[in-house]
Amino acid sequence: GAVVSQHPSRVICKSGTSVKIECRSLDFQATTMFWYRQFPKQSLMLMATSNEGSKATYEQGVEKDKFLINHASLTLSTLTVTSAHPEDSSFYICSASQRRFYEQYFGPGTRLTVT
Amino acid sequence: AQKITQTQPGMFVQEKEAVTLDCTYDTSDQSYGLFWYKQPSSGEMIFLIYQGSYDEQNATEGRYSLNFQKARKSANLVISASQLGDSAMYFCAMREGLGGYGGATNKLIFGTGTLLAVQP
Repeated sequence: GAVVSQHPSRVICKSGTSVKIECRSLDFQATTMFWYRQFPKQSLMLMATSNEGSKATYEQGVEKDKFLINHASLTLSTLTVTSAHPEDSSFYICSASQRRFYEQYFGPGTRLTVT
Repeated sequence: AQKITQTQPGMFVQEKEAVTLDCTYDTSDQSYGLFWYKQPSSGEMIFLIYQGSYDEQNATEGRYSLNFQKARKSANLVISASQLGDSAMYFCAMREGLGGYGGATNKLIFGTGTLLAVQP
């Protein structure tokens, strides 16, 4: 149980375009979802926390107008990178948790390349 | 503020031997949880083991054990009988709050990771 999926697993887009990444909890209802960003050979950096039905809470330094997060249902959160630039190229990982769990369950990640 | 420190950027271990990956943490909270995750080259984050701040015994999960020394604020991961498939990046993480209702929604702070290479 506690499976989280992400789609797509890899995406290449042109500079200036927007790209949407989906995060789904497949067998549980995720009251909270987290979005992380990981540059090569670096640690995971939390970008934002989203609770179902409310606005996401962004970490300091993360542009909320550039990284749009929507958590419209208990099983789906989306991250949209707007007007992507090459420096946005990174590995984006989501995780999901439920109040009765003590851990977060991670998705497999999405590798974004902006050309 | 919370902080996780992993001082070993890389480690080598011979197959079938044990290895300890270091992790120290800093928090002013009395209730917190400590986690270890494994990240192979595929990128997925695999949960290994969890220790709550009030747990009196060290956590164990198969070949993984967590050497929890609260006074020293350390939470080292011990992998026994290393296997070639253990080669991966290992991250220590901390969450303020113990989980359960309300706690699991608190964010995780990750260390910089240790790259473990298991040699045949």
